[in-house]
Amino acid sequence: AQSVTQPDIHITVSEGASLELRCNYSYGATPYLFWYVQSPGQGLQLLLKYFSGDTLVQGIKGFEAEFKRSQSSFNLRKPSVHWSDAAEYFCAVASPGTYKYIFGTGTRLKVLA
Amino acid sequence: EAGVTQFPSHSVIEKGQTVTLRCDPISGHDNLYWYRRVMGKEIKFLLHFVKESKQDESGMPNNRFLAERTGGTYSTLKVQPAELEDSGVYFCASSPIAGSTDTQYFGPGTRLTVL
Repeated sequence: AQSVTQPDIHITVSEGASLELRCNYSYGATPYLFWYVQSPGQGLQLLLKYFSGDTLVQGIKGFEAEFKRSQSSFNLRKPSVHWSDAAEYFCAVASPGTYKYIFGTGTRLKVLA
Repeated sequence: EAGVTQFPSHSVIEKGQTVTLRCDPISGHDNLYWYRRVMGKEIKFLLHFVKESKQDESGMPNNRFLAERTGGTYSTLKVQPAELEDSGVYFCASSPIAGSTDTQYFGPGTRLTVL
């Protein structure tokens, strides 16, 4: 069965520091991969997605993610974190041709001024 | 373009009562999904509509949950009777094209608390 692991439940970084949020998945082939962010009181907003092609994906708000097939990973990165990035981040996968997203448990990011 | 909207944003009910959650997808989106997040756990798929038809309801926990999408527009999710373990955040999402694995656009969720 497919699964998604986000090993870090909470991460705290200082404003201006770099950020990497980890995501590992279990799936027989290459799934579709997504990162969503949920700010307080808001819905889940898509940051970026990978379907195929270039394994380094650029998203909104200065985020990027790299798909590494050999490691079954899709880690999210940002070179310099802003206080407004404090939120909860979710990695999700979907099998091509299906519609069901499988989510990780989320990583809550705290940003120190 | 308006996003996915959900009503109410919060609901607090007692065990045994009935609650109905509503979702208005993005206009023109054929696909509508319901997900649920129980506190501290992952967001889990409940079901998928294509227009007014249930395509996949494999994630529905039990027969206390009933989802409808009359006319292929908005959807309701009724829980009757509610139990303590039904507490959580219920998300609705929509995507445009039937038959396509596409980006799903999520609403803000309804936080349900069953006392």
